[in-house]
Amino acid sequence: ETGVTQSPTHLIKTRGQQVTLRCSSQSGHNTVSWYQQALGQGPQFIFQYYREEENGRGNFPPRFSGLQFPNYSSELNVNALELDDSALYLCASSLRAGGTGETQYFGPGTRLLVL
Amino acid sequence: KNQVEQSPQSLIILEGKNCTLQCNYTVSPFSNLRWYKQDTGRGPVSLTIMTFSENTKSNGRYTATLDADTKQSSLHITASQLSDSASYICVVSAVMTTDSWGKFQFGAGTQVVVTP
Repeated sequence: ETGVTQSPTHLIKTRGQQVTLRCSSQSGHNTVSWYQQALGQGPQFIFQYYREEENGRGNFPPRFSGLQFPNYSSELNVNALELDDSALYLCASSLRAGGTGETQYFGPGTRLLVL
Repeated sequence: KNQVEQSPQSLIILEGKNCTLQCNYTVSPFSNLRWYKQDTGRGPVSLTIMTFSENTKSNGRYTATLDADTKQSSLHITASQLSDSASYICVVSAVMTTDSWGKFQFGAGTQVVVTP
């Protein structure tokens, strides 16, 4: 177990709806990254939050947004859901200590199905 | 174009046999390379991490190698077990700059199936 938790574990939504996914980072970690992983593919970087500010974003539209809270937990919000948003959403926490060898610890993921 | 390419896409091996997975990358400037194991429907779990100066790293029956000159890495699984059935993902990080903070380039993974 990595100490990173995500909720919910599974979710079913319909097109056009909005969804909020949650992540609790490992104790002492100040950075959270979100990834989308389609079936049979590697994770795709959505964005990263460092000390409550967005710090880097992948090639995802603005309807993917997020938050990081003072306790470093985080939310991923997706508006106007599309069928292609169906995927496993992974949260990873790490400690930004100024070095280059930080290790990301992944949560178990939230499986989102859009119908 | 993906900056991290893995091969093969999938493989099936008999329990007890060895196998080697490949990872080629173009990420630059290189910082470190990780191998993760991801069980179906679960988050990836780190197996090894190597920096520029390291060319081999072991974790039990898993041994990773790195050739930073040719930008290639391999993951060798010795005496495979049924529990080794998973996707193995290569992740390469660039040196941290204002443009690359926390950006990890993921390969698509190699799906390994170990059969009795």
